[in-house]
Amino acid sequence: NAGVTQTPKFQVLKTGQSMTLQCAQDMNHNSMYWYRQDPGMGLRLIYYSASEGTTDKGEVPNGYNVSRLNKREFSLRLESAAPSQTSVYFCASSEMYEQYFGPGTRLTVT
Amino acid sequence: AQTVTQSQPEMSVQEAETVTLSCTYDTSESDYYLFWYKQPPSRQMILVIRQEAYKQQNATENRFSVNFQKAAKSFSLKISDSQLGDAAMYFCAYRSADAGNMLTFGGGTRLMVKP
Repeated sequence: NAGVTQTPKFQVLKTGQSMTLQCAQDMNHNSMYWYRQDPGMGLRLIYYSASEGTTDKGEVPNGYNVSRLNKREFSLRLESAAPSQTSVYFCASSEMYEQYFGPGTRLTVT
Repeated sequence: AQTVTQSQPEMSVQEAETVTLSCTYDTSESDYYLFWYKQPPSRQMILVIRQEAYKQQNATENRFSVNFQKAAKSFSLKISDSQLGDAAMYFCAYRSADAGNMLTFGGGTRLMVKP
């Protein structure tokens, strides 16, 4: 039982490049989330998906797009990366109270 | 919008001693949930303890317990018999009962445990 998996674990991009962060969960959860964590701060919600086929903006959605591909997978896309998007990105899923987090992706934009 | 504040950027405790981490939050809602998450150097977010706002009894999980003061909007975490493995960042988080299970996090407290 892998829980929540994220790929890649590390990524370096140049300003203006695009990339997609992948997330998958094997717990049959309806809800999935993308957060970012900047140094010295807590996690902030970028986008979430309450169920397959729905997505909604969180606190900091600008510069990102998401796709809920199916119940298992929820991807985060940066169309034109900026240095301000340097951060650690966490995917999470939940059914009731607890959110289960992936191991994170450390993204650096130069 | 709800806000969560952790006023202690860093705390230190001697092994086997007790430490309390503070958290306050601001909300106009009456029904919600509060959480403490631990983030060790591995970056993995681990749920430590959960408190439902409608419950008066403070939650306890082994060496971890909370002091939930609803009127004061305070939610502190007490770690008893501290162990070296408790060293980590600790985040307080709030979730509305209605808001699709989204979490609002505080800024975190770094806990150091001295042998």
